[in-house]
Amino acid sequence: EVQLVESGGGLVQPGGSLRLSCAASGFTFSSYSMNWVRQAPGKGLEWVSFISSSSNTIYYADSVKGRFTISRDNAKNSLFLQVNSLRAEDTAVYYCARDTGTTGVDYWGQGTLVTVSS
Amino acid sequence: DVVMTQSPLSLPVTLGQPASISCRSSQSLVHSDGNTYLNWFQQRPGQSPRRLIYKVSNRDSGVPDRFSGSGSGTDFTLKISRVEAEDVGVYYCMQGTHWPLLTFGGGTKVEIK
Repeated sequence: EVQLVESGGGLVQPGGSLRLSCAASGFTFSSYSMNWVRQAPGKGLEWVSFISSSSNTIYYADSVKGRFTISRDNAKNSLFLQVNSLRAEDTAVYYCARDTGTTGVDYWGQGTLVTVSS
Repeated sequence: DVVMTQSPLSLPVTLGQPASISCRSSQSLVHSDGNTYLNWFQQRPGQSPRRLIYKVSNRDSGVPDRFSGSGSGTDFTLKISRVEAEDVGVYYCMQGTHWPLLTFGGGTKVEIK
């Protein structure tokens, strides 16, 4: 069974940083590209970042470019998102999601909540 | 950048009645390979999203056949033939044509009258 479990969220002050993690199991993690998608409270889904299976290709949404860094450790079946210079508008549940190419994503984690507030 | 626009924002439906959600893209979603990568997701209250339909009209495994997708170019529709209580939630369209830059629609909330 495919499982994605996020962790690392929490309350952080504006300008602060966090490192989000996603532990994958039930599939060959190293064969799949992965994504981070976020959802602000009561709002819709926003794609945040993409990383290819070998980390050779990385993309970011314009809203996070220069502040967020995606990475992965295939030996540990783990995906990461380093979020820096956080703003109130970054408050959201952050989901990791398995990439299926042009058909989008298939499996999602349960999400981890990041709250940016003073 | 491609913009995905859904309507309506909210859709009250009587149990057993049909429901229809529209999704429009700001540019054609026909890929250079000839396919159209428009996908639909369901998010039930308190749950993570779940993909229902990929490539306009293909249902994911386990998705009831009361869900169907159609459309082409820039205009797409998700239909529920007979709404059941478990269908309550928010539905999102998502374009994959410009993968890996994915774009979601704003969502349509389906609720029971």
